[in-house]
Amino acid sequence: GAGVSQSPRYKVAKRGQDVALRCDPISGHVSLFWYQQALGQGPEFLTYFQNEAQLDKSGLPSDRFFAERPEGSVSTLKIQRTQQEDSAVYLCASSLARAAEAFFGQGTRLTVV
Amino acid sequence: GENVEQHPSTLSVQEGDSAVIKCTYSDSASNYFPWYKQELGKGPQLIIDIRSNVGEKKDQRIAVTLNKTAKHFSLHITETQPEDSAVYFCAAAGTALIFGKGTTLSVSS
Repeated sequence: GAGVSQSPRYKVAKRGQDVALRCDPISGHVSLFWYQQALGQGPEFLTYFQNEAQLDKSGLPSDRFFAERPEGSVSTLKIQRTQQEDSAVYLCASSLARAAEAFFGQGTRLTVV
Repeated sequence: GENVEQHPSTLSVQEGDSAVIKCTYSDSASNYFPWYKQELGKGPQLIIDIRSNVGEKKDQRIAVTLNKTAKHFSLHITETQPEDSAVYFCAAAGTALIFGKGTTLSVSS
């Protein structure tokens, strides 16, 4: 596709459920970022991949959050045992390099009830 | 790690006026500074960016200035139009792209 694609667009999870959020970056983009955006806030950095290598995961809020990009293209953000404070929009972005124009997907809105 | 502060959090202007949004960053190693516009229900979209070897960049009604010594950069929008109303984010790229908390710009006609 022409842009970054995220799925699902909306996800409602019961507290304690595990969820998996998918990101399809722009073809050929080496860098991939995940962000968490709470209502009315800026995107908060979660993790960064360069190809399949996870170079920075300092923003992951707890060990319930896990991200992977096994073949250097599609990435999955997994949240185990979801809690209400995990409710947010999860944004994925990709770029040709770390300090280059990053293109964002539309995000996945996660609501934990 | 990098920390980005953005001001103001809200900004209301009349159509045709100018709008200025300011950001400061903490990591002197950051070398790329993009600005994003986010409309409701959509992901952020890049509107302009600047690299550390440049002091100013313009694109039609939008300009960005960078002062590396003071570690601050600003977005200037001239001749604002109602369609400029959105949330604007600055960001700084060090080891990762770190965002400010955003400015909600409202342009009234």
